[in-house]
Amino acid sequence: SQQGEEDPQALSIQEGENATMNCSYKTSINNLQWYRQNSGRGLVHLILIRSNEREKHSGRLRVTLDTSKKSSSLLITASRAADTASYFCATASDSSYKLIFGSGTRLLVRP
Amino acid sequence: DGGITQSPKYLFRKEGQNVTLSCEQNLNHDAMYWYRQDPGQGLRLIYYSQIVNDFQKGDIAEGYSVSREKKESFPLTVTSAQKNPTAFYLCASSILGARDEQFFGPGTRLTVL
Repeated sequence: SQQGEEDPQALSIQEGENATMNCSYKTSINNLQWYRQNSGRGLVHLILIRSNEREKHSGRLRVTLDTSKKSSSLLITASRAADTASYFCATASDSSYKLIFGSGTRLLVRP
Repeated sequence: DGGITQSPKYLFRKEGQNVTLSCEQNLNHDAMYWYRQDPGQGLRLIYYSQIVNDFQKGDIAEGYSVSREKKESFPLTVTSAQKNPTAFYLCASSILGARDEQFFGPGTRLTVL
């Protein structure tokens, strides 16, 4: 069953612009994680935000979490062509040992 | 270098054959996972193992089997019972469980001829 749903499914921006991706989920969580996948490669973990946190930063990445709305957003500032990839959110609950992934946002950064 | 490796990178199988995908990690992680990814889709969990000699079915286990005889190894067998096995298969590991970040291998692309 799909827990996280990303929005938009695809995003095309110019280099230097900011990219915002959103993730909505259905049930209560322990944490929410964001991953990046370059075409044909494995996933790379970007950031983990716990249910009691509201915002987290890592370099050019900013993640917010609103548990009342069951949603999260990933902001990439000053995007680069190398940021072109698919981005997935994944949720972990207290009652399960599984991560549940959304279907991803495909980001294209045009040089 | 610490990491997680998968082999082969590409695998071709004839219908009716079983094939085994390799996954090895030297991160000393207890938990390991197998996912399937179809084009343009997210990841779906096939099997996971929290500890040696123990594993659990994920959401799409039918037609697949696994073993966990060693901490560092978690091979996946795609059997002939899997009706649509053509996909990208990803192995991952984490220190304890799903609440931790997962480290992914580079994937194996399986094509049924």
